[in-house]
Amino acid sequence: GDSVTQMEGPVTLSEEAFLTINCTYTATGYPSLFWYVQYPGEGLQLLLKATKADDKGSNKGFEATYRKETTSFHLEKGSVQVSDSAVYFCALEAGNNRKLIWGLGTSLAVNP
Amino acid sequence: GAVVSQHPSRVICKSGTSVKIECRSLDFQATTMFWYRQFPKQSLMLMATSNEGSKATYEQGVEKDKFLINHASLTLSTLTVTSAHPEDSSFYICSAYSGGAKYEQYFGPGTRLTVT
Repeated sequence: GDSVTQMEGPVTLSEEAFLTINCTYTATGYPSLFWYVQYPGEGLQLLLKATKADDKGSNKGFEATYRKETTSFHLEKGSVQVSDSAVYFCALEAGNNRKLIWGLGTSLAVNP
Repeated sequence: GAVVSQHPSRVICKSGTSVKIECRSLDFQATTMFWYRQFPKQSLMLMATSNEGSKATYEQGVEKDKFLINHASLTLSTLTVTSAHPEDSSFYICSAYSGGAKYEQYFGPGTRLTVT
């Protein structure tokens, strides 16, 4: 069945460091891919998405490119801030039923 | 973006009692709502899909008689945990989908249930 594999955390970085959180997937067909973020004490928020191969989603300085050949959707940010401290979830949606398949989440802590 | 609320945010109940959790879409009509359960250090587990005016569709392994879902209107879905036990303690999250081509689900802030 469909699945998402996400790098384990926690990840701890200093402010302005480069961030990569790896995400790979297995799916039949052509899924849509998402990154969600959960800030402390808040609900999940969509960070970015890509709906077809080679699409690049971007938001708030974060980027992820839908790579069909490597079945990956790695999240990157060139310079993280303390305010980026949160848990990041990679997810895919396959088919038309809007069900999301989730990765385990990666906790990011950014120190000043 | 669209706002989804959940109530209560935290609830503590005694074993054997029932607890109702509400999920509301505040500024849009949600044709579909999803209920998730999140365990510590684990991913979200989809429990059921709730469509307005019809019976919920439960995922394999989720007891429909224990987790009662009602989606009575386009802005409200409720999850009732019946005869709760300590193993039902968890973080319950709802999401709402407004339909159309936006693909986006909007998530509530979650409800922390503790069964003593």
